[in-house]
Amino acid sequence: AQSVTQLGSHVSVSEGALVLLRCNYSSSVPPYLFWYVQYPNQGLQLLLKYTSAATLVKGINGFEAEFKKSETSFHLTKPSAHMSDAAEYFCAVSASGNQFYFGTGTSLTVIP
Amino acid sequence: DAMVIQNPRYQVTQFGKPVTLSCSQTLNHNVMYWYQQKSSQAPKLLFHYYDKDFNNEADTPDNFQSRRPNTSFCFLDIRSPGLGDAAMYLCATSRDSGGMDTQYFGPGTRLTVL
Repeated sequence: AQSVTQLGSHVSVSEGALVLLRCNYSSSVPPYLFWYVQYPNQGLQLLLKYTSAATLVKGINGFEAEFKKSETSFHLTKPSAHMSDAAEYFCAVSASGNQFYFGTGTSLTVIP
Repeated sequence: DAMVIQNPRYQVTQFGKPVTLSCSQTLNHNVMYWYQQKSSQAPKLLFHYYDKDFNNEADTPDNFQSRRPNTSFCFLDIRSPGLGDAAMYLCATSRDSGGMDTQYFGPGTRLTVL
């Protein structure tokens, strides 16, 4: 079975500060991991995904995530927060088959 | 641009009045999904189609049905909406079902039940 846990339902950072959004996964098989961003009243947009190639994955808008098998983590980071990064972020895990298991989301607030 | 389109973006219906939400895609993907997302919650998969094969999640209420008449279109029918069905409904597609395939989401339809 697969699942993800996102620690921190709300995260606030100052503009220009480091963004760190945490995601831990549970999977009985090698997982595929995804980060999506959702702006208000919009669908989900893919930021990046891990599919067993490089453990450090670079995505859009300056975000990146590192797959750490020993820690079962896939935390999302961005060196410098921008006001436009304010949104809801979802981590998801999948294995074989179609099922995506989403975390409960982290709402990011960027303080000017 | 290839994309996933949902219509309408906002839908208001009355308690018990059937409603249909529409999704279309220009990606020519094999798989189409319907998710329900309630406020401040993760998207919850209702069902998906792999081509014409329908796959229902075990806990999806019978009140929710779906149709996929062709590759491009997929519909979500709510036969008798209740107040608890008010939510954002997200359609997504993926090329295949191999687990690593990215799901591409439409903008969603926000359903209000009066």
